[in-house]
Amino acid sequence: NAGVMQNPRHLVRRRGQEARLRCSPMKGHSHVYWYRQLPEEGLKFMVYLQKENIIDESGMPKERFSAEFPKEGPSILRIQQVVRGDSAAYFCASSPIAGDSGNSPLHFGNGTRLTVT
Amino acid sequence: QKEVEQNSGPLSVPEGAIASLNCTYSDRGSQSFFWYRQYSGKSPELIMSIYSNGDKEDGRFTAQLNKASQYVSLLIRDSQPSDSATYLCAGSQMKKLTFGTGTRLTIIP
Repeated sequence: NAGVMQNPRHLVRRRGQEARLRCSPMKGHSHVYWYRQLPEEGLKFMVYLQKENIIDESGMPKERFSAEFPKEGPSILRIQQVVRGDSAAYFCASSPIAGDSGNSPLHFGNGTRLTVT
Repeated sequence: QKEVEQNSGPLSVPEGAIASLNCTYSDRGSQSFFWYRQYSGKSPELIMSIYSNGDKEDGRFTAQLNKASQYVSLLIRDSQPSDSATYLCAGSQMKKLTFGTGTRLTIIP
């Protein structure tokens, strides 16, 4: 019973390049969440998706960032023209139903550590 | 005002003692609360969930919720060095979880 799978674990990009982060939710989970964590800080919500739909992107910067969760395949968080401030750990989490139910906590992947040089 | 607030610590507790972690929240509409443990460089791991007023116990861990005071706590009994980690409090809001900044706990052998 595989957990939430994220890849790559570590990603190094130079300023101006694109970063693509992938997340495969746990089997049977159709709700995916992306969080960003800066060093010594908590998890900041970015976006909540269901299959083929963005439900809440209120935490995602308006420019350069986009997310998708297609009918087939993993969820993708895409950062265009990366800057040094994008360096952080990006965590994906999934749940079988919406993440505001006491019976449906979020299960996190191991994260992608993005470093922008 | 932050939606979920925690004392960032660090909190140091002798081995075998009780560690007490606290969290307050501002949204009275939040229904469910969660405690996650995060070791350095690792992903958050669910420790406890609670959604009714009162206490909920699971092994050495006890979560407490007081909705009137908008207060959530986590007690760790018989603290072990392996409990040294950052503990994140989260509340449900609008179909997503909002996290506090975490409290760093160190258990001193």
